[in-house]
Amino acid sequence: DVKVTQSSRYLVKRTGEKVFLECVQDMDHENMFWYRQDPGLGLRLIYFSYDVKMKEKGDIPEGYSVSREKKERFSLILESASTNQTSMYLCASSSNRLRGADTQYFGPGTRLTVL
Amino acid sequence: QKEVEQDPGPLSVPEGAIVSLNCTYSNSAFQYFMWYRQYSRKGPELLMYTYSSGNKEDGRFTAQVDKSSKYISLFIRDSQPSDSATYLCAMRFSGGSNYKLTFGKGTLLTVNP
Repeated sequence: DVKVTQSSRYLVKRTGEKVFLECVQDMDHENMFWYRQDPGLGLRLIYFSYDVKMKEKGDIPEGYSVSREKKERFSLILESASTNQTSMYLCASSSNRLRGADTQYFGPGTRLTVL
Repeated sequence: QKEVEQDPGPLSVPEGAIVSLNCTYSNSAFQYFMWYRQYSRKGPELLMYTYSSGNKEDGRFTAQVDKSSKYISLFIRDSQPSDSATYLCAMRFSGGSNYKLTFGKGTLLTVNP
């Protein structure tokens, strides 16, 4: 079974803090993604990575950065957390192998609250 | 016009009902269509996958794609309380950045015993 794990289920931070969200997958997937999910707005792609050290901006990259130093790990960084970054953050991974790109495997999510 | 439109519901049905969930899209270049199911406090999981137009059936679930109308559907027969979840449609282009999916906002379904 594919497993995508996220470092925390719940996180509470203060405005201005630097926040790290970690994601690890165990299936040797090439692609990894960070989304945020908000009521009424659905899933929105923040950043994705198709290889180690490679990254591309998604639809809402402002205020975020990412790091992928190893194939299995993809980190999302909030350089200076703000209250409007309070959200559910979901990590996903997928394979480029035959039709694998369509199956994104999601982690359980991190509920981040910025006070 | 948003790329993918999905009625957020909520949709509440009695156990055993046939459920119809739908998405419309604006970009005719979408070729691959998926339905994800998300239980409360969990990440989404792939439920159904179809390529181009046509139907696909898997147990109680049927996915339909009508590319001429830019309309996709998911039907659930004999719905069960365990089907209560948010259903997200997703789609992608063929070629290029083909690993990037575009999601609908999701429809919240409750099946009442």
